[in-house]
Amino acid sequence: ETGVTQSPTHLIKTRGQQVTLRCSSQSGHNTVSWYQQALGQGPQFIFQYYREEENGRGNFPPRFSGLQFPNYSSELNVNALELDDSALYLCASSPPGPGDEQYFGPGTRLTVT
Amino acid sequence: AQSVTQLGSHVSVSEGALVLLRCNYSSSVPPYLFWYVQYPNQGLQLLLKYTTGATLVKGINGFEAEFKKSETSFHLTKPSAHMSDAAEYFCAVSHMGRRALTFGSGTRLQVQP
Repeated sequence: ETGVTQSPTHLIKTRGQQVTLRCSSQSGHNTVSWYQQALGQGPQFIFQYYREEENGRGNFPPRFSGLQFPNYSSELNVNALELDDSALYLCASSPPGPGDEQYFGPGTRLTVT
Repeated sequence: AQSVTQLGSHVSVSEGALVLLRCNYSSSVPPYLFWYVQYPNQGLQLLLKYTTGATLVKGINGFEAEFKKSETSFHLTKPSAHMSDAAEYFCAVSHMGRRALTFGSGTRLQVQP
């Protein structure tokens, strides 16, 4: 069984640019969540997608947006990149049913210069 | 609003010694509780979870945690530390069905030979 995969592994962008990060959920999982983990901190919830619709959002500005596709894969888009957007971006998928456990991918390390 | 406090950003133990990582939460409704481990340059791996039922939860790699409602705690323990346990550990909470995790700031565990 393939776990959650993310691409790319690393990315370097310039302030003001736009970036798209990709996530493939674990087989059978229909909910995808995105988290931002700054260096030395715990992950912060960005938003969650269920059935291709946003299903909850954390305290992040609208320039953070996302998509979920019919195969449950997902994208995170960030516009007008700022230096503080430099972080590890983690995608997590969840199976149907109760429990709330999430299974994380290896993350994408984004550096904004 | 829910929050998670992990006491001690760094914990150092000797190989073979007891591991105790502390987690306290605040939540206005019964929470689901989780412990995750993160090895360097990797995503988060689920160690164990508490949803309902038995308050002592056993997880992978010999770890266990006890949910104490009166103390709003969910401390993680392992009777005997192994060198391979050296990693960052995160406690997280969610409200039933919301599937958005709130993480603590993490505890880095060092295991001395």
